[in-house]
Amino acid sequence: DIVMTQSPLSLPVTLGQPASISCRSAHSLAHSDGNTYLSWFQQRPGRSPRRLIYKVSNRGSGVPDRFSGSGSGTDFTLRISRVEAEDVGMYYCMQGTHWPVTFGGGTKVEIK
Amino acid sequence: EVRLVESGGGLVQPGRSLRLSCAASGFTFDDFAMHWVRQVPGKGLEWVSGITWNSGTIGYVDSVKGRFTISRDNANNSLYLQMNGLRPEDTAIYYCAKGGPVMVRGPVNWGQGALVTVSS
Repeated sequence: DIVMTQSPLSLPVTLGQPASISCRSAHSLAHSDGNTYLSWFQQRPGRSPRRLIYKVSNRGSGVPDRFSGSGSGTDFTLRISRVEAEDVGMYYCMQGTHWPVTFGGGTKVEIK
Repeated sequence: EVRLVESGGGLVQPGRSLRLSCAASGFTFDDFAMHWVRQVPGKGLEWVSGITWNSGTIGYVDSVKGRFTISRDNANNSLYLQMNGLRPEDTAIYYCAKGGPVMVRGPVNWGQGALVTVSS
């Protein structure tokens, strides 16, 4: 199975400041069909996960444009341009290129 | 709006069985793959099982193979997970999730989850 490694485990941020989360894959996530199936999910406290980003950099429906994704191959990044209070929670990357689907261990975003 | 509602969770003794159900609405159910993903409270996410739109391809994480069975009823927009031989390490919140047209790409939309507790 493909191991996904996120860092940091915890990310204290100041409201209005940017934040960045890294996700690394043990193998390239580039698929032979030309796509890279790397997604990001947000899980607010007590809530279900919500997909933010798919195929590295595509925002899901209704996702604010302060969220952006980038990367290629084995290294990926989720950025929040200006953190808001509602962004507190856990963030997970997920790869869907190789079977089975695997998730990163998660990053906890909290307000300083 | 996609809506997924799980039911059937609860407390069960080790070795016993439980069946989770997921009622889907807000989308054309038989156009999409479906998944079960679990989360030990306070821990990370683990994909458990997936099924293609026509049940033609099914997959499981190794730890549940031979014990869990995923199925779907497209006529009734429902997804199921039959869990036999439950173990304490199966204790988790189980999420029903809608996938895309291709199962192997993973979950997209998630239900609210059903807590399964395996304990004597």
